[in-house]
Amino acid sequence: QLVLTQSPSASASLGASVKVTCTLSNEHSDYAIAWHQQQPVKGPRYVMKLNSDGTYIKGDGIPDRFSGSSSGAERSLIISDLQSEDEGDYYCQTWTTGIRVFGGGTKVTVL
Amino acid sequence: EVQLLESGGGLVQPGGSLRLSCAASGFAFKNYAMSWVRQAPGKGLHWVATVSGFGDRTYYGQSVQDRFTISRDNSNNTVYLQMNSLRAEDAAVYFCAKDRGAGTFDTFDLWGQGTMVTVSS
Repeated sequence: QLVLTQSPSASASLGASVKVTCTLSNEHSDYAIAWHQQQPVKGPRYVMKLNSDGTYIKGDGIPDRFSGSSSGAERSLIISDLQSEDEGDYYCQTWTTGIRVFGGGTKVTVL
Repeated sequence: EVQLLESGGGLVQPGGSLRLSCAASGFAFKNYAMSWVRQAPGKGLHWVATVSGFGDRTYYGQSVQDRFTISRDNSNNTVYLQMNSLRAEDAAVYFCAKDRGAGTFDTFDLWGQGTMVTVSS
């Protein structure tokens, strides 16, 4: 079964870096994923598609502060120079034939 | 402007029906698969259904299979979600989303603001 696992929360100080991690189920460890940001009371926003080799394609207008990395079944979103507007929920998402799956989401708090 | 605008949400009784609409603008609508994703109050995102660019292929999440129908009208740049036999657990904000690539099936690069569906007697 295709499953994505995320930690419920992550936090860092203003201007620091935060890493949000998403883990694929073992048998799907070579899958690409995507990250979506949801600020409070807003619709989601596409951040990036992240491949298993660590390459990524960001959405329009996503700052350079956002980057991605991959290691085994782990896919990570790294936000550098954290800003107040980065606060919100971050969801990883993947897909296989006919199915899309979301992780449970990680709430990022700027301290 | 590239955007998606959902409408049609509201209050419906258990067992009732509702049809959601999503009007698209600013891109070549017929080239992209379109999807519905929902979010129950205080919960995460959950994929509901996807329709291909030509409307000839549809895919559904297990929780809505056989109750919901996704369709599209490429002449009016609109995608629909017909929801029948609604249950309390279908209550959510429903988002419309555009596939990232023409002819691909991976992620979504454009989202609407959502329309709320409440199921209650």
